[in-house]
Amino acid sequence: QVQLVQSGAEVKKPGASVKVSCKASGYTFTSYAMHWVRQAPGQRLEWMAKISVGSGNTMCSQKFRDRVTITRDTSASTAYMELSSLRSEDTAVYYCAREKYGDGWFGPWGQGTLVTVSS
Amino acid sequence: QSALTQPASVSGSPGQSITISCTGTSSDVGGYNYVSWYQQHPGKVPKLMISEVTNRPSGVSNRFSGAKSGNTASLTISGLQAEDEADYYCSSYTSSTTFVFGTGTKVTVL
Repeated sequence: QVQLVQSGAEVKKPGASVKVSCKASGYTFTSYAMHWVRQAPGQRLEWMAKISVGSGNTMCSQKFRDRVTITRDTSASTAYMELSSLRSEDTAVYYCAREKYGDGWFGPWGQGTLVTVSS
Repeated sequence: QSALTQPASVSGSPGQSITISCTGTSSDVGGYNYVSWYQQHPGKVPKLMISEVTNRPSGVSNRFSGAKSGNTASLTISGLQAEDEADYYCSSYTSSTTFVFGTGTKVTVL
């Protein structure tokens, strides 16, 4: 079955970077886009960025454009999200979610990765 | 990109129908039929409930339905059940080729 498995929880200091992975299985990795969405504690879902896995093209929310890097390793069926210059407000659960090109909806989702930013 | 506007909370008794609105602009909700809805129980992963404004994925109860008029989309839950108590988020594609989520709505079953 289609599954997205993310890397484990991280604790980082302010100013550091974090890289979260999302390993896909059960489908042709390059035939879909991968999105990254985050959710701060008690807050709403927030769309961050996407990568068209086949081409490697990326698109980011303007809010994160200077700090987020989205990549993929097609040989490993894994997508990555790296967020730099971390601050306390970046403490959140980060999700990856699959989108069939042009369908405009997300599913399935990874299990989420908690990133805690604390000095 | 500002978040789409949803009511903070909606409540109803078992068996009743409720509707959650999702208001955007002509650059997102009003401009595209790429509005989707997600259900999220506390501590759980979001689950797709409606795609492309009105489409219900297999496995989702037919008590859930979606619609859109102008810049406002809506999710209706009919025959409200205790298990429907959760947070609900809308999402839309935008003219900037990005996506935006709504502010979220907490549904309470009285």
